[in-house]
Amino acid sequence: DTGVSQDPRHKITKRGQNVTFRCDPISEHNRLYWYRQTLGQGPEFLTYFQNEAQLEKSRLLSDRFSAERPKGSFSTLEIQRTEQGDSAMYLCASRTGQYNSPLHFGNGTRLTVT
Amino acid sequence: TQLLEQSPQFLSIQEGENLTVYCNSSSVFSSLQWYRQEPGEGPVLLVTVVTGGEVKKLKRLTFQFGDARKDSSLHITAAQPGDTGLYLCAGARTSYDKVIFGPGTSLSVIP
Repeated sequence: DTGVSQDPRHKITKRGQNVTFRCDPISEHNRLYWYRQTLGQGPEFLTYFQNEAQLEKSRLLSDRFSAERPKGSFSTLEIQRTEQGDSAMYLCASRTGQYNSPLHFGNGTRLTVT
Repeated sequence: TQLLEQSPQFLSIQEGENLTVYCNSSSVFSSLQWYRQEPGEGPVLLVTVVTGGEVKKLKRLTFQFGDARKDSSLHITAAQPGDTGLYLCAGARTSYDKVIFGPGTSLSVIP
């Protein structure tokens, strides 16, 4: 169990640029989640996958955000035309499909939009 | 709409004191989980509660799930500086639903 890994750990970008983050879940976990977290707040749900199928996307998420999980393994989260309000920590988590299985989190990608 | 509420938002106490933090919802959850998060890291699971009225103990931490499965509490006895962190409750309304988080309680234990 190598844990959930996220890349990069930090990203600084200028407003209007596109960014892409990668998440590698624990290999036997079929569910993968993306959250956004600002300082001192709880993680805000963005989207989640079961294998390669995207089951739900937050209604609060603009069309500038898109996520994929090809072949049900790693996942990418892309933000197009970044805005300063996108600055946050982006967390990825994975879990098995078993009832009430816990989320295992990566250490996140911190995005700063200047 | 925040489906999970937590209180207090911030808590600063002296080492050795006891404390309780609360997680409340108007919705019924199939289970609730408590996580602890330190700066720069992802949340780490402390416990999962499933059955209404359930009480679980983890060393100095006691977790309770409300009878109606709408609320939960975390009690820490004799807090230590190592307990400092952001305490998050999380839940899913069904076993196939997304997992959502409350806003967290930021705990600071002063030596």
